[in-house]
Amino acid sequence: NAGVMQNPRHLVRRRGQEARLRCSPMKGHSHVYWYRQLPEEGLKFMVYLQKENIIDESGMPKERFSAEFPKEGPSILRIQQVVRGDSAAYFCASSSGQGNTNEKLFFGSGTQLSVL
Amino acid sequence: GQQVMQIPQYQHVQEGEDFTTYCNSSTTLSNIQWYKQRPGGHPVFLIQLVKSGEVKKQKRLTFQFGEAKKNSSLHITATQTTDVGTYFCASSGGYQKVTFGTGTKLQVIP
Repeated sequence: NAGVMQNPRHLVRRRGQEARLRCSPMKGHSHVYWYRQLPEEGLKFMVYLQKENIIDESGMPKERFSAEFPKEGPSILRIQQVVRGDSAAYFCASSSGQGNTNEKLFFGSGTQLSVL
Repeated sequence: GQQVMQIPQYQHVQEGEDFTTYCNSSTTLSNIQWYKQRPGGHPVFLIQLVKSGEVKKQKRLTFQFGEAKKNSSLHITATQTTDVGTYFCASSGGYQKVTFGTGTKLQVIP
């Protein structure tokens, strides 16, 4: 009974490179969230996706950041031309999305992105 | 969008003392969820409250949702070192987007 799987756990990039973070939701879950967390800070909402659909991307920077959740395969958070300020832990969470507004989230272990 | 504030930001307690964190919103919340994140770990769901004035207990943890559904609290009785971590409240608004509070980091001194 696999939980939410994120990879890689740690990702090191140089400034200007691209970062791709992957998230496979729990089996049977069709909704995925991405959150960003800086050290000693809270969880900042970035984007909320359904299969093949972005529900809410109000927390995601307009430039360099994009997210997708294709019909097949994991959800991808893509950061182009990374800068040092992108260094953070990125958490993915999934929910069943059964239409109930009171759903709980299951989190992955996160990807720690370090930009040199 | 919804903004949820938590106080205190940090709390140090002696093992065996009680601990309370408070969550406040300027708008009425449809529900409140609580999560715990251990140091170096990921958030883990603890509980959800939906009804006005609702109180739920999990062993030494007591969760309360305010009558006006604008605030919530988490109280831990007789803290243990295993309670160390950051406690977040969260709430979902339209389209199920879940917004997290600022968190309270708990340190328990043995």
